Amino acid sequence: QVQLVQSGAEVKKTGASVKVSCKASGYTFSSSGMTWVRQAPGQGLEWLGWISIYNGNRKDAQKVQGGLTMTADTSTSTAYLELRSLRSDDTAIYYCARDNVVTPMFLESWGQGTLITVSS
Amino acid sequence: EIVLTQSPGTLSLSPGERATLSCRASVSVRSDYLAWYQQKPGQAPRLLIYGASNRAAAIPDRFSGSGSGTDFTLTISGLEPEDFAMYYCQQYDRSPRTFGQGTKVEIK
Repeated sequence: QVQLVQSGAEVKKTGASVKVSCKASGYTFSSSGMTWVRQAPGQGLEWLGWISIYNGNRKDAQKVQGGLTMTADTSTSTAYLELRSLRSDDTAIYYCARDNVVTPMFLESWGQGTLITVSS
Repeated sequence: EIVLTQSPGTLSLSPGERATLSCRASVSVRSDYLAWYQQKPGQAPRLLIYGASNRAAAIPDRFSGSGSGTDFTLTISGLEPEDFAMYYCQQYDRSPRTFGQGTKVEIK
């Protein structure tokens, strides 16, 4: 069965960077895409971006002020989300979700989420 | 970007009742690229409906989706105790993909 296992919670200082990992299993990682979604405390879902694991194409919602980078390592079936210049409003649970390989679509399988807390 | 507006914000119903949730898009969503998700506290979202009306795998048939263009509906035909949760719609027609703000279905 499809499984996405994310890295653990982190606490970061304002201005720092963080890298969240998402290890996939149960399907052909290189023939898929990965979408990242975040959810601030008590708030709704926010679509951040998508990467095609097959060819590296990306779509970014431009929601993260400090910038984000999505990458993938097919040798370990792991996707990564790096956030830079963290601000307090980046505090959220970050989810990875398996997506289509050609273009971002609906999200059938989700990771368990990674809580990133940003404080001064 | 496409703005999705969900209504009502909160729906207070009793088990066994019918729930009707609305999702309205700021512009027409082509090809019915509209999905619905359920989220319970402390859990990741779960896909319920894709393509506006197609149930995802293992989703009970009391969940149904309908609509096209700018107006979409999620109907739960008879609420079970486990259905009380948050529900989000998402469009995947244009970038950036966007979610609605959610509807909470709570026990009356």
